[in-house]
Amino acid sequence: SQTIHQWPATLVQPVGSPLSLECTVEGTSNPNLYWYRQAAGRGLQLLFYSVGIGQISSEVPQNLSASRPQDRQFILSSKKLLLSDSGFYLCAWSVPGGEFVNQPQHFGDGTRLSIL
Amino acid sequence: GDSVTQMEGPVTLSEEAFLTINCTYTATGYPSLFWYVQYPGEGLQLLLKATKADDKGSNKGFEATYRKETTSFHLEKGSVQVSDSAVYFCALVTGGGNKLTFGTGTQLKVEL
Repeated sequence: SQTIHQWPATLVQPVGSPLSLECTVEGTSNPNLYWYRQAAGRGLQLLFYSVGIGQISSEVPQNLSASRPQDRQFILSSKKLLLSDSGFYLCAWSVPGGEFVNQPQHFGDGTRLSIL
Repeated sequence: GDSVTQMEGPVTLSEEAFLTINCTYTATGYPSLFWYVQYPGEGLQLLLKATKADDKGSNKGFEATYRKETTSFHLEKGSVQVSDSAVYFCALVTGGGNKLTFGTGTQLKVEL
């Protein structure tokens, strides 16, 4: 069966420090991968998605970036964190959909990031 | 573009009460519809899904029917428990697309 792992589970970082959050998926090949942010009491905001190694689509301009160095690895990074980067970060994967086949996404347990 | 509208929360119910959380959508093409649940401090879990009109998705006592004529996918449960307290998200995807469109989420609180 497929599993998704995110780490760390919680992180406290000072403003201006760098960030690296990692997500890996097991038990599937060539998944679509996604990074979301969820601010406290708010809905989900899609940040990045990837349909293959080295292929990253950005949904929201910001000081975050994403990379996919391996098929089942997705990394969220920042060179200098802002206070507004605080939130709950979720990684997700899906089987690539076909023209007439829609696939659900499956989520990791999330990383709670607090910026001080 | 595609959109999902959910009823505002929080919804507060007594244990064993009947639950309805409304969800309506607008979409091009033929969407698949999903309900996700998020327990406190956790990620989202797929609760149920429906891929075509009149399909009924069900899981853990929850049900939702894909109504094309009313563009709705309301979540129901006949008897809620305290352990059902969570945030529920309605979502859709169309045309084999790569992105889910989420509603804003509805918080459910179940009290003894």
